[in-house]
Amino acid sequence: AQSVTQLDSQVPVFEEAPVELRCNYSSSVSVYLFWYVQYPNQGLQLLLKYLSGSTLVESINGFEAEFNKSQTSFHLRKPSVHISDTAEYFCAVSDMKTSYDKVIFGPGTSLSVIP
Amino acid sequence: GAGVSQSPSNKVTEKGKDVELRCDPISGHTALYWYRQSLGQGLEFLIYFQGNSAPDKSGLPSDRFSAERTGGSVSTLTIQRTQQEDSAVYLCASSLARQGYSYEQYFGPGTRLTVT
Repeated sequence: AQSVTQLDSQVPVFEEAPVELRCNYSSSVSVYLFWYVQYPNQGLQLLLKYLSGSTLVESINGFEAEFNKSQTSFHLRKPSVHISDTAEYFCAVSDMKTSYDKVIFGPGTSLSVIP
Repeated sequence: GAGVSQSPSNKVTEKGKDVELRCDPISGHTALYWYRQSLGQGLEFLIYFQGNSAPDKSGLPSDRFSAERTGGSVSTLTIQRTQQEDSAVYLCASSLARQGYSYEQYFGPGTRLTVT
């Protein structure tokens, strides 16, 4: 069965510093990959997704993630974080061939941006 | 348009009581999901409905948990004989979902269940 690992449960980082949130998944078959974000006291919302095509995908607020099939990774990066980026970030995967619309979530990474 | 709604937003119940949690998905979304979010545990998949297909119940933690989806729309998650470890936020999500393509999931605000 598909599984998702987010090695860092908490990531503190100073404002304007770069950040990388790591995500690895278990299956080597074709997958769809997602990052969801949950801001304090808000619901989950999609941040970005990889379905096909370019392995580098971007969000509207400056985050990017790169699909690396050989390493089964989909790490999330931002070159300069803001206070408003403080949130819980969840990596998620669905199996393209067998259960394309069943999404499995990782345990989440809590990003805290320090002023 | 209206998003995914859940009710109640908060529920406090005594151990051993039954509870029902409701989810109204976005109109036209064929897929509906229930997750459980416990502190420090991330999102735990519970059950998934897709159109008229049999639901995927592989994530339900025990036979005290059940869910139904009536008319392909509203869903109810029922927990019987609640236990303290059932305390969590229960999230519902819906998506379009068609074969060969994975759509974004839209999440509701959740129901915070506290079992005393």
